Amino acid sequence: AQTVTQSQPEMSVQEAETVTLSCTYDTSENNYYLFWYKQPPSRQMILVIRQEAYKQQNATENRFSVNFQKAAKSFSLKISDSQLGDTAMYFCAFTSGGGADGLTFGKGTHLIIQP
Amino acid sequence: AAGVIQSPRHLIKEKRETATLKCYPIPRHDTVYWYQQGPGQDPQFLISFYEKMQSDKGSIPDRFSAQQFSDYHSELNMSSLELGDSALYFCASSSTRRGLAEVETQYFGPGTRLLVL
Repeated sequence: AQTVTQSQPEMSVQEAETVTLSCTYDTSENNYYLFWYKQPPSRQMILVIRQEAYKQQNATENRFSVNFQKAAKSFSLKISDSQLGDTAMYFCAFTSGGGADGLTFGKGTHLIIQP
Repeated sequence: AAGVIQSPRHLIKEKRETATLKCYPIPRHDTVYWYQQGPGQDPQFLISFYEKMQSDKGSIPDRFSAQQFSDYHSELNMSSLELGDSALYFCASSSTRRGLAEVETQYFGPGTRLLVL
């Protein structure tokens, strides 16, 4: 079974700073996909970014980028120029290449952006 | 863009009652997933359906059942409700392209908040 570990229960940074959220995972699969989802106080689950394990290039989406280290099974999320609206729970998630398989989530990191 | 629709958004039930949650996927999405998120917890995968067939199964209790209909909407049926079933239930949808190596992203609905008294 796959496991996803987020070792930072809570982080707090000032607005406009850069912050990195950590995620490690354990799997014996070679083909898999990793995601970061954001859950603001509304509790809506919002996709932030995805990474395919077969791609060496790190994914980027505007201010969000990942550092994917396949050998180390590490998948960290970097948020640049953080904004107040980035305050939320951030969940790292994993799924294998099985088509309609469910996601395995980490416990989440509560990110607080201070004005 | 159209999103996943879940109904009802809020539901209050007594112990031992039954509940039915509905999910309408994004148009042209053929796969639905159900997740349960308890207070302060991460979402736990329950079950998924592709083209009306069960595809993957997670930690779904035997008291729960689900199905996907011909119009791709899905229903989660929960019987003999317990206090511990109080949670936020998410439905997500994706477009699963069988035969291709790519896994499509799951997009989540707003959730149904179930409170069991």
